[in-house]
Amino acid sequence: NAGVMQNPRHLVRRRGQEARLRCSPMKGHSHVYWYRQLPEEGLKFMVYLQKENIIDESGMPKERFSAEFPKEGPSILRIQQVVRGDSAAYFCASSLLNTEAFFGQGTRLTVV
Amino acid sequence: AQSVAQPEDQVNVAEGNPLTVKCTYSVSGNPYLFWYVQYPNRGLQFLLKYITGDNLVKGSYGFEAEFNKSQTSFHLKKPSALVSDSALYFCAVRDMGGATNKLIFGTGTLLAVQP
Repeated sequence: NAGVMQNPRHLVRRRGQEARLRCSPMKGHSHVYWYRQLPEEGLKFMVYLQKENIIDESGMPKERFSAEFPKEGPSILRIQQVVRGDSAAYFCASSLLNTEAFFGQGTRLTVV
Repeated sequence: AQSVAQPEDQVNVAEGNPLTVKCTYSVSGNPYLFWYVQYPNRGLQFLLKYITGDNLVKGSYGFEAEFNKSQTSFHLKKPSALVSDSALYFCAVRDMGGATNKLIFGTGTLLAVQP
C-alpha cells in the first residue's frame, strides 16, 4: 500500500513562471491537505480538499495560488507567477474523515 | 478559531533521561489531538493520537502523551530518551466543533538528545 506520493521532489522555477505540485493520496483516502513549511518555521495550513470540493482554503493566499482535487487523478497545488518568497517546502497529506493524516515527502520549490 | 501552541522552540535532554515536549491547544468543540515527528528533509511521520477514552495514549517508538482537558494540554513524553529521538516534533489538533475540522499544527519543537 503506497503512501502519499508527491512529485516532483525538487522544483526550480524562475520568477514569473508557474509551479505545479502534485499529490497522490494514500489508497482509499478522500481528504487532502496542503501545508507550507519555511526554514525555521512551522507547518502552515494552506488548504483542505475533498474529492472535487474545497473544504477550507483559509490559509491560502488569495492571489496566484489555487488547488484542486479532481474526481480522477492527483491533487494539484498551482502557484502562478512565482516570486522568491514562494520558495519553501510544500507538503501534502491525506486522511480518511477526521482521522490522522499521512504525509508525503514534500516538494521543495526554489524560485530563482 | 482553533490553535495549537508549542511553547518551547527547543528541548535539550541527556540520553537515558525522561523527556517531555509540551503542547497546549484551543478549540471550540472536542479536540482530536496528534503528535508527529519530522527528520531532516523528510515528511512528517505520525506518532500517536487522542480521540477519546484513556487520557494516556501510547504510540510509536516508546512515545506516549497525556491528554489533560482542564489544562487543555497534550504533552509528549518518553521515559528514556535516545540520541536517535533527536528531531522536530509537531503537535496538531482537529477542532471537532469547528466549521471544517481542518488539521492545524503547532510551530514545532526541536528535540536534541545529547549522548
